[in-house]
Amino acid sequence: NAGVMQNPRHLVRRRGQEARLRCSPMKGHSHVYWYRQLPEEGLKFMVYLQKENIIDESGMPKERFSAEFPKEGPSILRIQQVVRGDSAAYFCASSPLAGARPGRETQYFGPGTRLLVL
Amino acid sequence: AQTVTQSQPEMSVQEAETVTLSCTYDTSESNYYLFWYKQPPSRQMILVIRQEAYKQQNATENRFSVNFQKAAKSFSLKISDSQLGDTAMYFCAFMKRTGNQFYFGTGTSLTVIP
Repeated sequence: NAGVMQNPRHLVRRRGQEARLRCSPMKGHSHVYWYRQLPEEGLKFMVYLQKENIIDESGMPKERFSAEFPKEGPSILRIQQVVRGDSAAYFCASSPLAGARPGRETQYFGPGTRLLVL
Repeated sequence: AQTVTQSQPEMSVQEAETVTLSCTYDTSESNYYLFWYKQPPSRQMILVIRQEAYKQQNATENRFSVNFQKAAKSFSLKISDSQLGDTAMYFCAFMKRTGNQFYFGTGTSLTVIP
């Protein structure tokens, strides 16, 4: 069973360009979470999605950032008109079905995408 | 709001020795989970150990164990028989039982010295 896949692993963009980060959850997982790690800091929650639904986007900046998790295909975190402050590692995590079932609280992390904005 | 504090930015330990990493948290929740994650130079986040707040018994995983003091809101990680591969950033994390997101501390950089 493959783990959480993220691509690209490294992404370089110039200011004003768009960045698209992809996340394929573990097989059987329908819940995806995105976190951002700025240099020298811990991970900060951005958004939680289920298939075709955004459940909690309280940690995501209101402008330029968007996320989706379509019925088919990976989850996408999209950053429009990137600025230097967007340079960070972006981690995706997935978990099994939500609810009171055991294991719900365990999230499995991908290897991250390191975004560098020049 | 939930906050997690790791007051030790850096620590070092001799190989084969024991080291304890500190973590405190603040929450008004009564039911929650606590975790320690390891982030080696590869930057992958690896689950080390987790604790369910309603369980009084401290969790253990091989050389890793926790000292969970619920009243003091303290959750320290003890690494016994330290190995070179333990060199990494260690993050303490909190999750509400009914929640979906982690709240991470700022991390402790641990170096195991040969």
